[in-house]
Amino acid sequence: DGGITQSPKYLFRKEGQNVTLSCEQNLNHDAMYWYRQDPGQGLRLIYYSQIVNDFQKGDIAEGYSVSREKKESFPLTVTSAQKNPTAFYLCASSMQFTRGTDTQYFGPGTRLTVL
Amino acid sequence: AQSVTQLGSHVSVSEGALVLLRCNYSSSVPPYLFWYVQYPNQGLQLLLKYTSAATLVKGINGFEAEFKKSETSFHLTKPSAHMSDAAEYFCAVSGTLVSGTYKYIFGTGTRLKVLA
Repeated sequence: DGGITQSPKYLFRKEGQNVTLSCEQNLNHDAMYWYRQDPGQGLRLIYYSQIVNDFQKGDIAEGYSVSREKKESFPLTVTSAQKNPTAFYLCASSMQFTRGTDTQYFGPGTRLTVL
Repeated sequence: AQSVTQLGSHVSVSEGALVLLRCNYSSSVPPYLFWYVQYPNQGLQLLLKYTSAATLVKGINGFEAEFKKSETSFHLTKPSAHMSDAAEYFCAVSGTLVSGTYKYIFGTGTRLKVLA
């Protein structure tokens, strides 16, 4: 079955540590996205990638970094510079970034907690 | 700039009653609109989307939404609520990021509770 996988499901981080969240898709989609979800705030865009080896900052990119070395993979690193990283992180993909009608497909999410 | 407002962060209905979740948008161009559902600790799943074809859009699980340009609304309805409908629902508009590219703008969500 085609879809998006995220790992791990739960992640605990100590203060000052960098952690990397994995996102893999086998939908052959060009565009991929990372969102952060906090209670009562909806989803906020962290980074997006239109194509391999290209990515752009979203609305809340500070303290985060990404890479897109393969079409299937779009890992997100939460750095120690992110002041309040405890949240639910969602990865998504769509066929293209240049079509507003494209559906975004979401992974199951990773819940990050800072200890 | 595009924006989305969902009225009511929590909605409760009795099983078998009508479900109505409200979404109003702001857009300077004809919008593309989406409704997603999220079950606890899971990702989002598309319920339905409006892409400027029919104004009444039917989705999965018996949900539908009507695009009303005059009211700038895209409310989600279901005639008869089921216990399995309890979840959080997000309305989104596909807004122009830069020329030729788009991004989703999400509402803050409405948590639906279904009472037995």
